[in-house]
Amino acid sequence: DAKTTQPTSMDCAEGRAANLPCNHSTISGNEYVYWYRQIHSQGPQYIIHGLKNNETNEMASLIITEDRKSSTLILPHATLRDTAVYYCIVRPRDNTGNQFYFGTGTSLTVIP
Amino acid sequence: ETGVTQSPTHLIKTRGQQVTLRCSSQSGHNTVSWYQQALGQGPQFIFQYYREEENGRGNFPPRFSGLQFPNYSSELNVNALELDDSALYLCASRLSGLNTDTQYFGPGTRLTVL
Repeated sequence: DAKTTQPTSMDCAEGRAANLPCNHSTISGNEYVYWYRQIHSQGPQYIIHGLKNNETNEMASLIITEDRKSSTLILPHATLRDTAVYYCIVRPRDNTGNQFYFGTGTSLTVIP
Repeated sequence: ETGVTQSPTHLIKTRGQQVTLRCSSQSGHNTVSWYQQALGQGPQFIFQYYREEENGRGNFPPRFSGLQFPNYSSELNVNALELDDSALYLCASRLSGLNTDTQYFGPGTRLTVL
């Protein structure tokens, strides 16, 4: 079962920041927060992940609250190509068979 | 591009038949996972292989089976196909043991069971 809660859908104006929230109130100390996105009928694409510190890469920023019970993915300047389903996933980092539980994600629509 | 490829892209089978889907992992990756994604749903974990051994399985019946080869390519086999097996099948590879074990997904195989 997915251990995260995300809004079903969101809209964002092109050029504005898209802020996608995720609740993971039962996260354990050894679990990372991962974000993936999936553009229609393609394979999921890795965006970013973090443990407790805020992270930034060329695609996005990840803000994790101090208690780690929620996080926000920020796309700083959304474009039409960012329209996709965004998945927030928590999982421990180890070598065993711990899978990624995807849930149903947030469908982000970037509006011209 | 993730370096993960899958074949075929699309496939149509009839109920009761058997199917084999193939995945070529990103170079150097020793772990492969398979997922089933029904229309409108998130991917559901089927199983994972690490160094040619299954080391994790989701809630799927035994008619879903797999293989991982020494070159880390892999197969997903589904026997006695049912209508509900119609879905996008995704494989994902990663290199276990590093500080980050991000999974990289292939484009998927769209299976239709009639």
